[in-house]
Amino acid sequence: GAVVSQHPSRVICKSGTSVKIECRSLDFQATTMFWYRQFPKQSLMLMATSNEGSKATYEQGVEKDKFLINHASLTLSTLTVTSAHPEDSSFYICSARADSGGYEQYFGPGTRLTVT
Amino acid sequence: GQNIDQPTEMTATEGAIVQINCTYQTSGFNGLFWYQQHAGEAPTFLSYNVLDGLEEKGRFSSFLSRSKGYSYLLLKELQMKDSASYLCAVRDNYGQNFVFGPGTRLSVLP
Repeated sequence: GAVVSQHPSRVICKSGTSVKIECRSLDFQATTMFWYRQFPKQSLMLMATSNEGSKATYEQGVEKDKFLINHASLTLSTLTVTSAHPEDSSFYICSARADSGGYEQYFGPGTRLTVT
Repeated sequence: GQNIDQPTEMTATEGAIVQINCTYQTSGFNGLFWYQQHAGEAPTFLSYNVLDGLEEKGRFSSFLSRSKGYSYLLLKELQMKDSASYLCAVRDNYGQNFVFGPGTRLSVLP
């Protein structure tokens, strides 16, 4: 149980375009999901906390107009990177915390974004 | 502020024991987690400590001292597949946020 999927796993896009990444909790409901970014050989950096039915909470330094987060249901959160630039190339990972309780965050497999 | 510190890299020999340390200074504390991450993959959960002491789970053990802001992950009987990054993360503010340490890249040599 407690599986989180992400789609796509890899995406290459041109500079200036937008990319949408989906994060789904497959067998549990998650009011709260988290979006992280990870650059090569670095640790995970929390970008934002996504709450179903309300606005996401962004970490300091993360542009909310550039990284649009929509958490429209208890099993789906999306991250849209708008007007992507090469410096946005990174590994994006989502995680979800089960509403049924417990202490874990369950991580998705990640999405490798390359902006050319 | 939030600060979590781990050694950047460690090397150990197959079959040996290795201890990876983590020190933290955070505005709140509601549990410490250890994750394993292989290159290009998402982190996988290893252990969780919220009270002082040692938690053992097979070849992996994790220790916490809240008064010292200190934890370690102990890996026994090292295997080649244990070569990975190990991330220490602290949960604060009633479980809303995780703060991740920089990670320790462990290389297991034959």
